[in-house]
Amino acid sequence: QVQLVESGGGVVQPGRSLRLSCAASGFTFNNYGIHWVRQAPGEGLEWVAVIWYDGSNKYYADSVKGRFTISRDNSKKTVYLQMNSLRVEDTAVYYCAREEIVIAAPYEYYFDYWGQGTLVSVSS
Amino acid sequence: DMQMTQSPSSLSASVGDRVTMTCRASQSINTFLNWYQQKPGKAPKLLIYAASSLQSGVPSRFSGSGSGTDFTLTISSLQREDFGTYYCQQTYSSPIIFGPGTKVDIK
Repeated sequence: QVQLVESGGGVVQPGRSLRLSCAASGFTFNNYGIHWVRQAPGEGLEWVAVIWYDGSNKYYADSVKGRFTISRDNSKKTVYLQMNSLRVEDTAVYYCAREEIVIAAPYEYYFDYWGQGTLVSVSS
Repeated sequence: DMQMTQSPSSLSASVGDRVTMTCRASQSINTFLNWYQQKPGKAPKLLIYAASSLQSGVPSRFSGSGSGTDFTLTISSLQREDFGTYYCQQTYSSPIIFGPGTKVDIK
């Protein structure tokens, strides 16, 4: 069965770095784009970043651009989110999610599988 | 930038009620609209994609409609397990935006 498992969260001081991992299993990993979505405590969902199936394209939310870097290692079936210069407002549960394309409308897509999330807390 | 709004922000309904919630985009997004359900402490779960397509395994009491800027998620007969927060998501333009959510409580 499809599984996404995040790890790497924790408590970190403002200005420091953290790297999250999203380990995939149960599907052909190098056929799928993977997204990161975060949720601050008591708040809604915020899209963070995406990496295409082959790593050729990466896109970021303005709130993290220049500080976060998404990457993937298809041999390890893992996507990473390197988070630098962390801010208090980056505190959130971070989810990775698989992107699936609508077969009848290839430009449309959705997130069909999500991990359980990993908590990042930025505090002095 | 695209903006997504949802109404109501919360609702309380009884088991068996028909429940409707709406999602509005600030500009046309065709049918590039998905719906998710999230329960406390859990990851979101996909319910509807491309505005009206039911995700495999999701009960048929859930349905979606709309195109352009106005969308609706309907639960035809509310069940106790349907509590949670419902989010719409637009994937028409970058960045992907989620609506602020509609919280559903069971009376």
